Amino acid sequence: DIVMTQTPLSLSVTPGQPASISCKSSESLLQSNGKTHLYWYLQKSGQSPQLLISEVSNRFSGVPDRFSGSGSRTDFTLKISRVEAEDVGIYYCMQSMQLPSTFGQGTKVEIK
Amino acid sequence: QLLESGGGLVQPGGSLRLSCAASGFSFSSYAMNWVRQAPGKGLEWVSSISSRGGGTYYADSVKGRFTISRDDSKNTLYLHLNSLRGEDTAIYYCTKEREVVTIGVPDYWGQGTLVTVSS
Repeated sequence: DIVMTQTPLSLSVTPGQPASISCKSSESLLQSNGKTHLYWYLQKSGQSPQLLISEVSNRFSGVPDRFSGSGSRTDFTLKISRVEAEDVGIYYCMQSMQLPSTFGQGTKVEIK
Repeated sequence: QLLESGGGLVQPGGSLRLSCAASGFSFSSYAMNWVRQAPGKGLEWVSSISSRGGGTYYADSVKGRFTISRDDSKNTLYLHLNSLRGEDTAIYYCTKEREVVTIGVPDYWGQGTLVTVSS
């Protein structure tokens, strides 16, 4: 199975400041067709996870443009340009290069 | 919309059937997935079924004990849980596949149903 490793595991951010989460995979997530199967989800407290970013950098419907994703092959980053109070929760990266789809451990983002 | 039901308290070795009623999209066109989350833990992909039931896939931790199925005439996804263990205690989320051509990539998630395995 592909192992996904996120850092840091927790992050405390002042509102209006940027935040960055790293995700590394144990194998390349680049498929021969050029797609890279890396996704980001946010789980707010008491809620189901929601898709934020697909295929490294494509924001899902309704996701604010302060969220951006980047990276390639095995190293990926989720950035929030200016953190808002509604952004608190646990962020997970996930790979679907091969089944089983696997998630990172999660990064808990809190507001200072 | 995805609405799960069927969770509850069950003894070790017992069985349950989870259901997920889907609406608002062309259910038969999409693969569907189950993802679970143990209390206070992260997310674990459990199982996927391709559109029109052409293929089923399972995590090693549940293979041989869980069975995923779907009834496209009822827009409903199922997960049959057998030989349950304490480590199966979790919220089980029904999820819709992101694209008609992919599998294992949830976009929309249900609210989840809690399965507790305990004597």
